[in-house]
Amino acid sequence: GDSVTQMEGPVTLSEEAFLTINCTYTATGYPSLFWYVQYPGEGLQLLLKATKADDKGSNKGFEATYRKETTSFHLEKGSVQVSDSAVYFCALTPNSGGSNYKLTFGKGTLLTVNP
Amino acid sequence: DTAVSQTPKYLVTQMGNDKSIKCEQNLGHDTMYWYKQDSKKFLKIMFSYNNKELIINETVPNRFSPKSPDKAHLNLHINSLELGDSAVYFCASSQSSKGYTFGSGTRLTVV
Repeated sequence: GDSVTQMEGPVTLSEEAFLTINCTYTATGYPSLFWYVQYPGEGLQLLLKATKADDKGSNKGFEATYRKETTSFHLEKGSVQVSDSAVYFCALTPNSGGSNYKLTFGKGTLLTVNP
Repeated sequence: DTAVSQTPKYLVTQMGNDKSIKCEQNLGHDTMYWYKQDSKKFLKIMFSYNNKELIINETVPNRFSPKSPDKAHLNLHINSLELGDSAVYFCASSQSSKGYTFGSGTRLTVV
């Protein structure tokens, strides 16, 4: 079945540091890929997405590129802020058609940014 | 207006009780879901409904029963609650594989 593997945290950075959270996936065909963010005590928010190979998703200074050849969707940000402290989830849905849009999540990576 | 709203936000109950969590979406989406987030933050799908029809039913105890009276609502009823049911339950909806909208979660604590 489909699966998502992301680097285990926690990740602790100083403000303005560079962030990379690795994510690789296993799926048949060409899934859609997502990064979701969960701030403390809140629900999940879509951060960015990419629906086909070589697409780059971006939002709030975060970026991730859909790499089919390495089955990866690594999350990056050039300069993190304290307000970026949250849990980040990599996820995928199959593009198999029909109504099966099951989101498969990675285990989440806790990011803490210190001032 | 909240796109996906679920109630209650917090639920504390004793073992053996029966409880329900309600979810409503005003996005016009055809598909709705329940996800469970455990204490380690791991998220796993429980159920999915498309136009009131059950399409995904992961390995979930029979004590959990989803009900979808119409495509804008998906409720979750849990019988005979156990300590291990303590978790955060998220409702979500989608129209395609392009992304979900999640509710803010219901934190269930079984004592």
